[in-house]
Amino acid sequence: DGGITQSPKYLFRKEGQNVTLSCEQNLNHDAMYWYRQDPGQGLRLIYYSQIVNDFQKGDIAEGYSVSREKKESFPLTVTSAQKNPTAFYLCASSIGRVGYNEQFFGPGTRLTVL
Amino acid sequence: KNEVEQSPQNLTAQEGEFITINCSYSVGISALHWLQQHPGGGIVSLFMLSSGKKKHGRLIATINIQEKHSSLHITASHPRDSAVYICAVRSSTGNQFYFGTGTSLTVIP
Repeated sequence: DGGITQSPKYLFRKEGQNVTLSCEQNLNHDAMYWYRQDPGQGLRLIYYSQIVNDFQKGDIAEGYSVSREKKESFPLTVTSAQKNPTAFYLCASSIGRVGYNEQFFGPGTRLTVL
Repeated sequence: KNEVEQSPQNLTAQEGEFITINCSYSVGISALHWLQQHPGGGIVSLFMLSSGKKKHGRLIATINIQEKHSSLHITASHPRDSAVYICAVRSSTGNQFYFGTGTSLTVIP
């Protein structure tokens, strides 16, 4: 079954700790994205990547970092510099050029920083 | 001001009713997406439009580029259609993505 997976579904961390959220896809998609969703707000783009070893900042990249060492994997690290890290994080992927095609979303990771 | 505005914010309908959700945007776009988010948080892409109209089952999406407006219609609504529907656009001037805050739909049996 092709799809996009995120793990874990729920994650709890203490303030001041870095945490890495996993995102894997076996759809052979070129583009991958990370979004953040907060209550009452639309999704906001954190980072996106067109190809391996290339990624670009989205609207709210401060306090986050990513890597794209493999086509199928796009992990997101929430660093201690992110002021309000508690949120729902969604990973997505699409074929072809960033933003030009339908995006497939993972199930999301709900991060709570205590 | 949000680049993408949706209306209504909340909508309750009786099963079988015809539903319309509206999306207006203020930027030039290369594509508009309609997404569906279920209570568990998972998001499914329903449509991607750059012009005209698309239909998939009971769902119809239209876009008017000149008026910067799109509508999502659901015919013969069913309780399983209950979800949050999100409009999103990709700007035509770069890799900018803008999302609406969503329309929460509840269909009552």
